[in-house]
Amino acid sequence: KAGVTQTPRYLIKTRGQQVTLSCSPISGHRSVSWYQQTPGQGLQFLFEYFSETQRNKGNFPGRFSGRQFSNSRSEMNVSTLELGDSALYLCASSPYLRGTSGSHNEQFFGPGTRLTVL
Amino acid sequence: DAKTTQPPSMDCAEGRAANLPCNHSTISGNEYVYWYRQIHSQGPQYIIHGLKNNETNEMASLIITEDRKSSTLILPHATLRDTAVYYCIVSPPETSGSRLTFGEGTQLTVNP
Repeated sequence: KAGVTQTPRYLIKTRGQQVTLSCSPISGHRSVSWYQQTPGQGLQFLFEYFSETQRNKGNFPGRFSGRQFSNSRSEMNVSTLELGDSALYLCASSPYLRGTSGSHNEQFFGPGTRLTVL
Repeated sequence: DAKTTQPPSMDCAEGRAANLPCNHSTISGNEYVYWYRQIHSQGPQYIIHGLKNNETNEMASLIITEDRKSSTLILPHATLRDTAVYYCIVSPPETSGSRLTFGEGTQLTVNP
């Protein structure tokens, strides 16, 4: 079974621009979560999507948004980029939404997209 | 979620056992201990989890103290490819990983 894939792997943008990142979950997985990882802040949860609906959201400004399609693929968008948005953006997929499976819902992470804002 | 404390770095010789400690003195009764690792420039990878009994899988063993205030991840025969940052996380099972809080972790370096 193919793993979680993310595109592009590397991206360079300038301040004020916007960017869209893409994530394809493992086949059959319906939950997709996004994380931001920076050296100073560590790994921070952005949001989780399940069945095309945002189910959980972390503490990020409205410039960060996302969506999920009917095939469970997900995109996240960052508008009006700031220098501090430079980070590794990770996508993770799970078979179930939290609290619904009664089991330990292991997350499978993709390789990430390295975004650099100049 | 309960806070965890891990040493910032550890070294291990290739072929020897790597024992990574984690303190979680404020762990609640329904919280599990999860371990993930992140190899440089890759996404985190799930390793193992446990509640109160020791657990073993093909990757590692997890030893949880009787009072559950600390645990140790054991890689029985460390290889160079095990060099990574190892994260210890405690969380209720219903969190499903979406809100797992990754701390600073332990940078394990396996030396030849």
